[in-house]
Amino acid sequence: QSVLTQPPSASGTPGQRVSISCSGSTSNIGSNTVNWFQQFPGTAPKLLIYSNNQRPSGVPDRFSGSKSGTSASLAISGLQSEDEADYYCAAWDDRLNGHVFGTGTTVTVL
Amino acid sequence: DVQLVESGGGLVQPGGSLRLSCEAFGFTFHDYWMTWVRQVPGKGLQWVANIKEDGDESFYGGSVRGRFTISRDNAKNSLYLQMKSLRAEDTAVYYCAREVAGPHFDTWGQGTLVTVSS
Repeated sequence: QSVLTQPPSASGTPGQRVSISCSGSTSNIGSNTVNWFQQFPGTAPKLLIYSNNQRPSGVPDRFSGSKSGTSASLAISGLQSEDEADYYCAAWDDRLNGHVFGTGTTVTVL
Repeated sequence: DVQLVESGGGLVQPGGSLRLSCEAFGFTFHDYWMTWVRQVPGKGLQWVANIKEDGDESFYGGSVRGRFTISRDNAKNSLYLQMKSLRAEDTAVYYCAREVAGPHFDTWGQGTLVTVSS
């Protein structure tokens, strides 16, 4: 039922750079800003990136976001063990008149 | 501290009703849109509904439209989700979240579990 498509998993060794894609359409990513959330098991999601590439206070600068056309990406540079979590993209959808989330990506630190 | 606290979850039979509450602390509640998001255990996030600052406008996700009603009481700093005709597929953890300009959700509650089962 998710409108935005993400790879189910991504992995890397400590210190590596990992990138997660989020593919949408003209009615969501193509027309609106993209946000990213981080979620650890058993806890609520946490805002990681908003307005495509802005970090809330307290989010390490190794997390960065970008958007191009109808796709967006989250990059984690200098991967750390504490970055093991689920990551979701989200955007407003003008056609559905609602927020839509990505399918989610589980990041594993090898 | 800005905080959202949900309550009202529990076990309900298929076809039954339940009302969730979300109380806000630490910010001017009536200045913000508010939203509900749910998550089936082990699955992804799904947006449910949101409501304007004054309660005059709201939007719903397709799977709950016509069965769920979002409302708010700004005098009580509280957000509600009235759920009717509940189905097994409504079983999920329900989160309330504050919606800020962007739009995006900058603050989330801890979630409340709703289980629909006979």
